[in-house]
This record gives sequence, structure tokens and C-alpha cells, in this order.
Amino acid sequence: SQQGEEDPQALSIQEGENATMNCSYKTSINNLQWYRQNSGRGLVHLILIRSNEREKHSGRLRVTLDTSKKSSSLLITASRAADTASYFCANEGNSGYSTLTFGKGTMLLVSP
Amino acid sequence: NAGVTQTPKFQVLKTGQSMTLQCAQDMNHEYMSWYRQDPGMGLRLIHYSVGAGITDQGEVPNGYNVSRSTTEDFPLRLLSAAPSQTSVYFCASSKQGGGYGYTFGSGTRLTVV
Repeated sequence: SQQGEEDPQALSIQEGENATMNCSYKTSINNLQWYRQNSGRGLVHLILIRSNEREKHSGRLRVTLDTSKKSSSLLITASRAADTASYFCANEGNSGYSTLTFGKGTMLLVSP
Repeated sequence: NAGVTQTPKFQVLKTGQSMTLQCAQDMNHEYMSWYRQDPGMGLRLIHYSVGAGITDQGEVPNGYNVSRSTTEDFPLRLLSAAPSQTSVYFCASSKQGGGYGYTFGSGTRLTVV
């Protein structure tokens, strides 16, 4: 399997705290994407970082990418209860048409 | 603008039955994919398509067929359902060329008894 791994598998924090999730992948990539999935719902695209980028911001989200270590991290600042969800990283390869390979996800619980 | 629409949302099948999971998108996306999501396994790719008339296998294609006769529709067929196919199925679409995020449907929860 080419699946990557997220770390931690589960994370529980209080509102206002920051949440950091890490992702490792196995192959060379075109880009790395992060998705959120609320319970019982589909996945929602959050942010994409290309292989030649090291850091990217979008609102309260900050993503970093280290291609030498084949790893990425997602930081959510000032977490809210509404951020409670599962978060998945997915890498898109760089050989012709490449599909997304997902990690197994981090379940984030933000308590009021 | 509906995005990606999957039907049905829930389905119970008996072992050996066949059925088709429907997926339609109205964003004129060339790329479409089917994933299954199982507890502790994340999402795994079943089949994908880069355009009408072109399909290919993903990581877990056995027991599933696809076809893509139009840009909008990408149905997934279960040929002879097995309990191992109990899962949540997601359809997703993206613009051509890579480097774009995917839009996912809300999923079909399938139980095979």
C-alpha cells in the first residue's frame, strides 16, 4: 500500500488552543492536500501545497511541507468547537495523471 | 450548483446481488474517482477516469466496474456483492491537469448482508 500516515490518530484540545497534525507519505509528489471530514459527511478540500512550496497559509490554517522528509503538517490556530472533525492528508503524485493517495486521518475533538 | 451528487445515500444488499452507485457532477470536471472508506483505513481508490471513455483501476478494483460515457456521470457497479464490500463509497471530481483540490460527494453507505 502507498498510503501515508497521519499523526496523531486522535487529538483532543480546548477551544482557543492550536491543533497540529502531521502527515508522512511514501512517494514523490506533485502536491500535498488536506481535507476535513465532519462525521457522516463527505470530504471538504482545505488547502493544497505544491512540492516546490515550503509553507502556505489560509485563514487559521498553516501547512508546511518538507519533501526531504516526505512529511507535512497542518496547524489550526485558535481552534473552535466547529473544527471538530477528521482531517486527512492526500498526496498527488507527479507521474502523468496521478490520483490522490490518502492517509488514515487524524480525529480532532475541540471541547468548548 | 449542486457539485457532486451521489445516489443512493444508503443501501442494503444481499450477498450476490448487483447494483449501481450513481455519481454526477455539474462542474465540467474531467477527472472523476471512486473511493471506499473503511474504519482505520482512510480512503482507498477503486477506479478513476480522466475523461469520457477513459477509465483505469485504482488500488482496490476487484468486484467493481465503471464506465464513463459522459463528462457528467461516473457510475460504479458492484457485480456480485460480498460482505467485504460493506463500506462508505465516495465519488470525487477535479479539474484536468492536477494541482486542484477534489470535490467530494456526500457518500453512499452500503451494507452487504
